[in-house]
Amino acid sequence: TQLLEQSPQFLSIQEGENLTVYCNSSSVFSSLQWYRQEPGEGPVLLVTVVTGGEVKKLKRLTFQFGDARKDSSLHITAAQPGDTGLYLCAGERYNFNKFYFGSGTKLNVKP
Amino acid sequence: NAGVTQTPKFQVLKTGQSMTLQCAQDMNHNSMYWYRQDPGMGLRLIYYSASEGTTDKGEVPNGYNVSRLNKREFSLRLESAAPSQTSVYFCASLGRAGASYEQYFGPGTRLTVT
Repeated sequence: TQLLEQSPQFLSIQEGENLTVYCNSSSVFSSLQWYRQEPGEGPVLLVTVVTGGEVKKLKRLTFQFGDARKDSSLHITAAQPGDTGLYLCAGERYNFNKFYFGSGTKLNVKP
Repeated sequence: NAGVTQTPKFQVLKTGQSMTLQCAQDMNHNSMYWYRQDPGMGLRLIYYSASEGTTDKGEVPNGYNVSRLNKREFSLRLESAAPSQTSVYFCASLGRAGASYEQYFGPGTRLTVT
C-alpha cells in the first residue's frame, strides 16, 4: 500500500474542460510537491506547498494543501493538449528530505 | 551545467547477472536518491544519501546496494538481477528552492531482466 493515493488514475478530457486531481493520505506531511512527467523523461517539479490550507496558482493550475496537511489537490482550468502528461504528488515527512510519491494521474487532453 | 546524468539509458540483463547504474550531479547538492518507477506505482524510493559517506534504505531496498562515491556520484548496484527488477530507474538530487526543496531528476535508465 502506498502512503499517498492519487485519483483518478487516468483522465481523458477535451480541450477547454476543467479537471481536478486528488492526492490523499492518512499521514501528515511537512510539505507536498506536484510533478509533471513526460514520456521518456524524469519528473519536473511544478510546485511545493508547505503550509496547511495553502493555495498556489501557476497560470491555469491551482494547487491546494489540506488544512491538516494530509491531502492536496491540483485543479486545471481550461485544459490544453500541452497539459497532457503524468502528474505525480510527493509528500515529505518530518522534514527528513525523504519523499513518498503517489501512484500518478495520467492526463490526456484531446484537441 | 548538465544537471543530473544517468548511464546507461537502456540495459537488458539475464537473470542472475549483475550491473551498476551510474548517476552524477553537478549542482553541488548534498542529498541524492534512487527511485524505481513501475506502471501504476508512481516512484518508489530504493535508497537515498543525505550527504557524502551516508546512505539509508528507502521503501524497496531489497536486492540493491548503493555507493555514495563522492558528493557528485551515487551508484546503484544489482548483484543478482531478477525479472521483478525490470523497471525504469531514476536518480535525483535535492536542491534548495526558496523556502523549500526541489528534486532534480535524471532521464532514467530502462532496465529489462529476462
